[in-house]
Amino acid sequence: GAVVSQHPSRVICKSGTSVKIECRSLDFQATTMFWYRQFPKQSLMLMATSNEGSKATYEQGVEKDKFLINHASLTLSTLTVTSAHPEDSSFYICSARGMGGGAKETQYFGPGTRLLVL
Amino acid sequence: AQTVTQSQPEMSVQEAETVTLSCTYDTSESDYYLFWYKQPPSRQMILVIRQEAYKQQNATENRFSVNFQKAAKSFSLKISDSQLGDAAMYFCAGHSGAGSYQLTFGKGTKLSVIP
Repeated sequence: GAVVSQHPSRVICKSGTSVKIECRSLDFQATTMFWYRQFPKQSLMLMATSNEGSKATYEQGVEKDKFLINHASLTLSTLTVTSAHPEDSSFYICSARGMGGGAKETQYFGPGTRLLVL
Repeated sequence: AQTVTQSQPEMSVQEAETVTLSCTYDTSESDYYLFWYKQPPSRQMILVIRQEAYKQQNATENRFSVNFQKAAKSFSLKISDSQLGDAAMYFCAGHSGAGSYQLTFGKGTKLSVIP
């Protein structure tokens, strides 16, 4: 149980285009989903926290207009990188926490998306 | 707010031996949760073990166990009978057990397993 999928796993795009990454909780309903960015050989950096049906809360320094987050249902959150530039190239990871039992306090992670902007 | 510190950037262990990864934390909360996550080369974050602060008993999951010292704010991970598949980055993390349950991560420890 507690499986989170992420799609696509890898994407290459041209500078100036937008890219959408999907995060789905497959076998549980997710109260909250989180989006992280991870640079090589570093820890995870929280970008934003989203709750179903409400606006995401962004961490300091993260541009809301560049990284659009939508959490339309209890099993799906999307991250759209708008007008992507080479400096946005990174590994993006989502996580989800459940609604009850032990899942409420635990984040389960997706496999990540490697974004390369040319 | 929590802080999580992993002071060992890299560790190595002989296959079948035991290794302990260190983690210290600081928090003003009375209710909190601590976790160890494993990130192998695939970069998939995998939950290894979790500990509720209110529980005195140390959590155990098969070959993985923790030594939770609440007064010392220490949360070390012991891996017994190390296997080649245990080679990965290990992240210690915690949250306050309330609100949005945002995790604070340590910088990670890279574990190598020597055949």
